[in-house]
Amino acid sequence: AQSVTQLDSHVSVSEGTPVLLRCNYSSSYSPSLFWYVQHPNKGLQLLLKYTSAATLVKGINGFEAEFKKSETSFHLTKPSAHMSDAAEYFCVVSDLGSARQLTFGSGTQLTVLP
Amino acid sequence: DGGITQSPKYLFRKEGQNVTLSCEQNLNHDAMYWYRQDPGQGLRLIYYSQIVNDFQKGDIAEGYSVSREKKESFPLTVTSAQKNPTAFYLCASMDGSGGRWTEAFFGQGTRLTVV
Repeated sequence: AQSVTQLDSHVSVSEGTPVLLRCNYSSSYSPSLFWYVQHPNKGLQLLLKYTSAATLVKGINGFEAEFKKSETSFHLTKPSAHMSDAAEYFCVVSDLGSARQLTFGSGTQLTVLP
Repeated sequence: DGGITQSPKYLFRKEGQNVTLSCEQNLNHDAMYWYRQDPGQGLRLIYYSQIVNDFQKGDIAEGYSVSREKKESFPLTVTSAQKNPTAFYLCASMDGSGGRWTEAFFGQGTRLTVV
C-alpha cells in the first residue's frame, strides 16, 4: 500500500520570500513522486517528477523538490514566491508498474501576500 | 496541440436525472481515469480504463458508470443513484507504452451542480 501526507493544508508567504510545501510518503517499493499545481476551477498541471534518477528535481516556474529516501519526504521549494504561484498544490505517489496506483495527497493551498 | 478535452465546463443536473460528462484525448494514451474532487479531500478515483472495452472500479464507483468504446474517449455517466453528485470532476490519461506508466495528464475539469 502507498500513501501521501501533505503536512500543511494552508501556507502563506510574502511575495519574494521562499516557499516550502511539505510532503511525506509511504510506499513498499521504489516510488515515483510528482507535484501538481491547480489554479481555481482548472485541471492539474505537472510541476515536476521524480522517477529514480537524480534526487534533486527541477520543475517549471522555478520550483524544485528533493527526494529523501531516509526521511520518506519529497518537499517542494521555490526561492522566491510570485503572486502567480498562489494555487493548490498536490503531492502524488505512483507505482509506475501499475496504472491503478496513483495516490494523491489532500493538497496544500498556497497564498502569496503582496 | 495534444491534450485532454472535458466538456461541458459547467453542468447542472436536476434531482433524479442522469448526466454524462465527456472526456476526449488525442495523446494516444492507453489509460484514462475519472476523479472526483471535493474541497479538502484531494482527488478520489471513480473509474479507470487501461485498454479499450475494459475498465475497473476505483474507490468511489457507486452511482457512476463509464464506457471505453474508443481509445480516445472515456465518458462518465453520473446516475440518479449517486447521492451527492455535486463536485468537480477531472479526467486524466497516462501513457503505458514501453512497459512503464508516465505521469498523468489532466483535463480542465467539469463542475457538476445538482439543482
